[in-house]
Amino acid sequence: TQLLEQSPQFLSIQEGENLTVYCNSSSVFSSLQWYRQEPGEGPVLLVTVVTGGEVKKLKRLTFQFGDARKDSSLHITAAQPGDTGLYLCAGGALVGNQFYFGTGTSLTVIP
Amino acid sequence: NAGVMQNPRHLVRRRGQEARLRCSPMKGHSHVYWYRQLPEEGLKFMVYLQKENIIDESGMPKERFSAEFPKEGPSILRIQQVVRGDSAAYFCASSLGLAGTQETQYFGPGTRLLVL
Repeated sequence: TQLLEQSPQFLSIQEGENLTVYCNSSSVFSSLQWYRQEPGEGPVLLVTVVTGGEVKKLKRLTFQFGDARKDSSLHITAAQPGDTGLYLCAGGALVGNQFYFGTGTSLTVIP
Repeated sequence: NAGVMQNPRHLVRRRGQEARLRCSPMKGHSHVYWYRQLPEEGLKFMVYLQKENIIDESGMPKERFSAEFPKEGPSILRIQQVVRGDSAAYFCASSLGLAGTQETQYFGPGTRLLVL
């Protein structure tokens, strides 16, 4: 059973386009993190959101945590080839030490 | 300040052999987490350790897998009598305190285990 479902699983777009990646769950999380992972490397943390409804911006990336703290979205404006990678969301358990990772969205930005 | 280091980066084992994966956390970090990543799947939590203590091993298979984080030296994930299904990328992460809203987990580059 996958606690966090990401969609789409694969995304291939042209440079300059906008895109949104979704991370959904029926569970409530203490926090929600987004990572980017490049081939052959470990995930790198992009952002942590904590409060329901919170919106954070990181240059061309906008992250939103759902009001009920069950879901999140990542929006990229004017995608660039350097944005190519695997995007993972991870929810922090309300009790305990675990982080539950989503299934991942593999993004390819074509020049 | 060096990041999280894992070795080996690639490991090939035959069925029935033992695999030892090492993780050196970032300097000053005393919290270590191990994850497994299968192709086209997200990372699955395995175990969380602090120095000399296993805090949460709820994600570890009950048999053949063990982990330690001794007072001196790296954290070790040990897989005995490996089977083909153990083939995966194993990632280690470390944090200064308990990872969560205040602390960041920093991931190593992973060890790719292939069981023939």
